[in-house]
Amino acid sequence: KNQVEQSPQSLIILEGKNCTLQCNYTVSPFSNLRWYKQDTGRGPVSLTIMTFSENTKSNGRYTATLDADTKQSSLHITASQLSDSASYICVVSELQGAQKLVFGQGTRLTINP
Amino acid sequence: DTGVSQDPRHKITKRGQNVTFRCDPISEHNRLYWYRQTLGQGPEFLTYFQNEAQLEKSRLLSDRFSAERPKGSFSTLEIQRTEQGDSAMYLCASSPDGTGHEQFFGPGTRLTVL
Repeated sequence: KNQVEQSPQSLIILEGKNCTLQCNYTVSPFSNLRWYKQDTGRGPVSLTIMTFSENTKSNGRYTATLDADTKQSSLHITASQLSDSASYICVVSELQGAQKLVFGQGTRLTINP
Repeated sequence: DTGVSQDPRHKITKRGQNVTFRCDPISEHNRLYWYRQTLGQGPEFLTYFQNEAQLEKSRLLSDRFSAERPKGSFSTLEIQRTEQGDSAMYLCASSPDGTGHEQFFGPGTRLTVL
């Protein structure tokens, strides 16, 4: 069973609208939770990174939240733009050892004009 | 460009052939990771280097896969006797030592096995 689950799998919204992507995780203990943006055929690019003690982190039009008690995170995108079309991946970094990243399957977001 | 680079960007090979990919991390980063991503899925961890030492390998890394980082700088990932199931994007990432540092990803190598 995947330790990081995301919903929805895909989402289509109109340019200018807001949206919220969800992430549930079971990885424990963890060092931090990250949201990455991945354009088709490219490597992931970090949007936000939060430790377990942080509740929210913003990066421009992107705002991530974290509830370590319920093991849930969300990524809110405000005033979407066509360039926001991409996959958004929730990632949890293990605390120990290699601190490898455990990825969700991603949400494919499409912004239509 | 001081980011993570990977070569080649695309590789098409016939089943049974051997392939080798290269990753050049950000120069001062001690940690180097390899991940594999199949279509529609998130990346999965393959292996991790701390300098030249390979410290962790995933069960995904069968005996046909071998990775090296001989001088603690660039790394290579070799796949022997490729199979169609090896078709994927192979991503390399690097980070500084310590806890909680961001991993910076390269553009990936897209492998297609015919």
